[in-house]
Amino acid sequence: DQQVKQNSPSLSVQEGRISILNCDYTNSMFDYFLWYKKYPAEGPTFLISISSIKDKNEDGRFTVFLNKSAKHLSLHIVPSQPGDSAVYFCAASAQGNAGNMLTFGGGTRLMVKP
Amino acid sequence: GAGVSQTPSNKVTEKGKYVELRCDPISGHTALYWYRQSLGQGPEFLIYFQGTGAADDSGLPNDRFFAVRPEGSVSTLKIQRTERGDSAVYLCASSPDGWEQFFGPGTRLTVL
Repeated sequence: DQQVKQNSPSLSVQEGRISILNCDYTNSMFDYFLWYKKYPAEGPTFLISISSIKDKNEDGRFTVFLNKSAKHLSLHIVPSQPGDSAVYFCAASAQGNAGNMLTFGGGTRLMVKP
Repeated sequence: GAGVSQTPSNKVTEKGKYVELRCDPISGHTALYWYRQSLGQGPEFLIYFQGTGAADDSGLPNDRFFAVRPEGSVSTLKIQRTERGDSAVYLCASSPDGWEQFFGPGTRLTVL
């Protein structure tokens, strides 16, 4: 039973446009959400996070939105750049879990075309 | 500063063999995690160390998998009697506070 799902395996956008990556979760105990970016042959790198007490967090070109009632979060990248092309993973944790171990979605491959 | 390093980067072994995968965390990070990423999927949690002790090993798939962190720094993931289904990228992450986790590049294990 996948507790974190990314239903779009891939997304292609034009440079300069907005990229929207979506993530759904089922476990209502999750209270901290993260986005990681992964290039080939490298480990995931942290991008941005949001606590369940907020509905939006912004960091430069990256904004994460959280809709707790819908158990849905999204990552917006504006404007998209070719260097943003990578696999993006949504992850969630629950404070009650020792060490805040992460539950990941399956990833979305973003391709930004010049 | 140096990030999380993992060795070897690639490991090819035969079914039934024993393998060890090593993780060197960022200096000073007390929390260390192992994840496994199968093809086309996201990483899946295996085990979490706080210091030298395994605080949560609920993600280990069976008793063929074992991990140690004897001095609270380097960790070794050990897999006995490897099976083809063990083929995956094994990721290690460390954290100073249990929140932001810094990942290594992973070890790609192939069991023939």
